[in-house]
Amino acid sequence: AQTVTQSQPEMSVQEAETVTLSCTYDTSESDYYLFWYKQPPSRQMILVIRQEAYKQQNATENRFSVNFQKAAKSFSLKISDSQLGDAAMYFCAYRSVNGGSQGNLIFGKGTKLSVKP
Amino acid sequence: NAGVTQTPKFQVLKTGQSMTLQCAQDMNHEYMSWYRQDPGMGLRLIHYSVGAGITDQGEVPNGYNVSRSTTEDFPLRLLSAAPSQTSVYFCASLRTAGYPEAFFGQGTRLTVV
Repeated sequence: AQTVTQSQPEMSVQEAETVTLSCTYDTSESDYYLFWYKQPPSRQMILVIRQEAYKQQNATENRFSVNFQKAAKSFSLKISDSQLGDAAMYFCAYRSVNGGSQGNLIFGKGTKLSVKP
Repeated sequence: NAGVTQTPKFQVLKTGQSMTLQCAQDMNHEYMSWYRQDPGMGLRLIHYSVGAGITDQGEVPNGYNVSRSTTEDFPLRLLSAAPSQTSVYFCASLRTAGYPEAFFGQGTRLTVV
């Protein structure tokens, strides 16, 4: 079974600085999807960025980028020019390309990010 | 453009009471799931469905029941609420055609006293 590990329960960053959130996962599959979700105090789950395992190129969405290391099974999220609105819980998630029971999202335990003005 | 509609937003139950959390999606997705979120535990899968009439258990199914009579609706039933079921619950609808993406309901904060 696949697992997702986020080893940093809490992180803090100064406004306008850069922060990296770590995520590692375990799988025997060669093709899969990885996601970062943001959960602000409103509880809403917001997709930040996604990565397909077969793509070598790291995904980027504005100030958010990932460092995808397939061999190391690592999927870290870098937030550049941090803003107060980035303060939230961040979840790393894995999804198999297969269907059935493997088609569900598997989440890490989350990293709570605070942004200092 | 509703997406996933989950109700209620908040609920307080007494131990032993039953209730149903409602979830509806208008995107014609076959995959739907229920998760619970507890502090320090992330989101854990309770039950899921891969289509109307088909449901299966996830990681933490005990004390919950689901059914999927239509593609749109996937209610979650608490049979006899216990304090251990105090949590935040999320319904999700998963797109499988094209790029896979999950769409979440707004969440339900349930307190069992």
